[in-house]
Amino acid sequence: EDQVTQSPEALRLQEGESSSLNCSYTVSGLRGLFWYRQDPGKGPEFLFTLYSAGEEKEKERLKATLTKKESFLHITAPKPEDSATYLCAVQAGGGSNYKLTFGKGTLLTVNP
Amino acid sequence: KAGVTQTPRYLIKTRGQQVTLSCSPISGHRSVSWYQQTPGQGLQFLFEYFSETQRNKGNFPGRFSGRQFSNSRSEMNVSTLELGDSALYLCASSPGNSFDNSPLHFGNGTRLTVT
Repeated sequence: EDQVTQSPEALRLQEGESSSLNCSYTVSGLRGLFWYRQDPGKGPEFLFTLYSAGEEKEKERLKATLTKKESFLHITAPKPEDSATYLCAVQAGGGSNYKLTFGKGTLLTVNP
Repeated sequence: KAGVTQTPRYLIKTRGQQVTLSCSPISGHRSVSWYQQTPGQGLQFLFEYFSETQRNKGNFPGRFSGRQFSNSRSEMNVSTLELGDSALYLCASSPGNSFDNSPLHFGNGTRLTVT
């Protein structure tokens, strides 16, 4: 069974204090790893897709990396507006498959 | 382009009742997936529809069902509601091509409360 574990569950940072969120996974045949951001009362918003170990993607203050067993979401010099729950999900298996397995998320709070 | 639209935003139902939730995908998207989100379990996959056919199903009881119409709009039905069905129900759409790793685009969900 596919498993995704995110850590830490919650993280408090001061504005400008860089850090990383972790997503470790166990899947059979990874097809893609996705990062989403979710604000309170809203649906998840897509951030990145990573397909293979060694791949990196960047967007503003966020950078996602992927190894064979885990992914990191690095946040550089965060701002209060980066406060949100960050979700990691994996897509695995063969054939046409839109079943994503999600981790429980990391709640990030950035204080001014 | 309009995003994924879910209606209603909030619902309050009583145990034993049934409920129908609606989802309109992004124009041109043919795949619609449904997820249940709770504080304890996180997001869990319910099912996925493509061209009016259920293509994949999660581990939920038969009380949870869905369907997709020819215009790709989808509905999800939960019968004989239980207190544990209280959750945020999220719909997501994607282009839906085979072997496509396109990301899912989520709506803002329907918050269902069962009393």
